[in-house]
Amino acid sequence: EPEVTQTPSHQVTQMGQEVILRCVPISNHLYFYWYRQILGQKVEFLVSFYNNEISEKSEIFDDQFSVERPDGSNFTLKIRSTKLEDSAMYFCATQGLAGGNEQFFGPGTRLTVL
Amino acid sequence: GESVGLHLPTLSVQEGDNSIINCAYSNSASDYFIWYKQESGKGPQFIIDIRSNMDKRQGQRVTVLLNKTVKHLSLQIAATQPGDSAVYFCAETHGNNRLAFGKGNQVVVIP
Repeated sequence: EPEVTQTPSHQVTQMGQEVILRCVPISNHLYFYWYRQILGQKVEFLVSFYNNEISEKSEIFDDQFSVERPDGSNFTLKIRSTKLEDSAMYFCATQGLAGGNEQFFGPGTRLTVL
Repeated sequence: GESVGLHLPTLSVQEGDNSIINCAYSNSASDYFIWYKQESGKGPQFIIDIRSNMDKRQGQRVTVLLNKTVKHLSLQIAATQPGDSAVYFCAETHGNNRLAFGKGNQVVVIP
């Protein structure tokens, strides 16, 4: 069964450092998303991406965040200067053009900002 | 603001019994609802979905009920098994594919 993969599984960084979280979508999926989940809280939408551009972003997704598909395969989330409050699980989700609105989630990257 | 929320934080259920998890939503424009299951250390896993033009949908051991009048969504799990122990989230969207999740409801299955 195809699945979304994410790397790394756990990232520890110092405050102010840049991090890049990577996602490999399910093949042939065209819609990509990043969500985050702060420990003990609900999953929150960050950004959606389609046709090589951002479709929608939440208020969380400020200028410190960016997304791209640098090689047409991997989908990345970059946080330019991490803050303590960026510590969370970050989930990538992908969605095919057909088949309804089901989004398939990856296993997540746990980001810890010290 | 618009929100999706769950009524009960934790549900303990005996193995073999049926489970019911409830969810309230406030956005009347929502047209698609999904239940996700999240096990510890893993990403949300799709369980079942329902569109706003339906009031009931059944899957394998799971049933989702939608009451648009009172903006209520429920997930019924038949013959609950130990592997059903997880946090269950309802989520909604209204056309733009952006999912809005509820806070989550822990289900604990007692063997």
